[in-house]
Amino acid sequence: GEEVAQTPKHLVRGEGQKAKLYCAPIKGHSYVFWYQQVLKNEFKFLISFQNENVFDETGMPKERFSAKCLPNSPCSLEIQATKLEDSAVYFCASTGGSYNEQFFGPGTRLTVL
Amino acid sequence: AQKITQTQPGMFVQEKEAVTLDCTYDTSDPSYGLFWYKQPSSGEMIFLIYQGSYDQQNATEGRYSLNFQKARKSANLVISASQLGDSAMYFCAMREGEPNFGNEKLTFGTGTRLTIIP
Repeated sequence: GEEVAQTPKHLVRGEGQKAKLYCAPIKGHSYVFWYQQVLKNEFKFLISFQNENVFDETGMPKERFSAKCLPNSPCSLEIQATKLEDSAVYFCASTGGSYNEQFFGPGTRLTVL
Repeated sequence: AQKITQTQPGMFVQEKEAVTLDCTYDTSDPSYGLFWYKQPSSGEMIFLIYQGSYDQQNATEGRYSLNFQKARKSANLVISASQLGDSAMYFCAMREGEPNFGNEKLTFGTGTRLTIIP
């Protein structure tokens, strides 16, 4: 597609539950990025992929966060045993443009109660 | 040290006036890219403008221009003839490294909330 798609739009989980977010990048884009936005103004990079390969995972809290981008499937970001501080908007972005403009999806708002 | 600094948490500007949103950056990489995104209250991230570190001219896109001062490490966004629809959060971001690999993460500033007053 011509837009980055993210599902679900909203996700509510009790503390300790699992959360799984999905992202379909723009068709033809080889690079996918996940960012976490907390408090409406702080963006944190989580992980990036080149096709199905992890490229940079320096931002991932590895003990609870995992992500995949498998061929012919949406990319996913999974949080095991969510914590209150995981409440945020999670953005997926993809790129394939001439100067690497990252096209953002609409985000998934995760609320952990 | 912060890589991207936006010192204006909020700004109020009269409709039809020009507005400058400040952004300074810090990198030792000779190759980098600077981006501005707009985030309205609906939450989506809208790309506005890009400036590459080797670009000789300031970038322009319609009413948006980027005042790029490399020696001062600043990349201020200028919006001319502001409109009510410009009210939003504005984020400055940087990609460090060579372009065209498509694999460098963006580092964001904390944003400036712009409110246009009718």
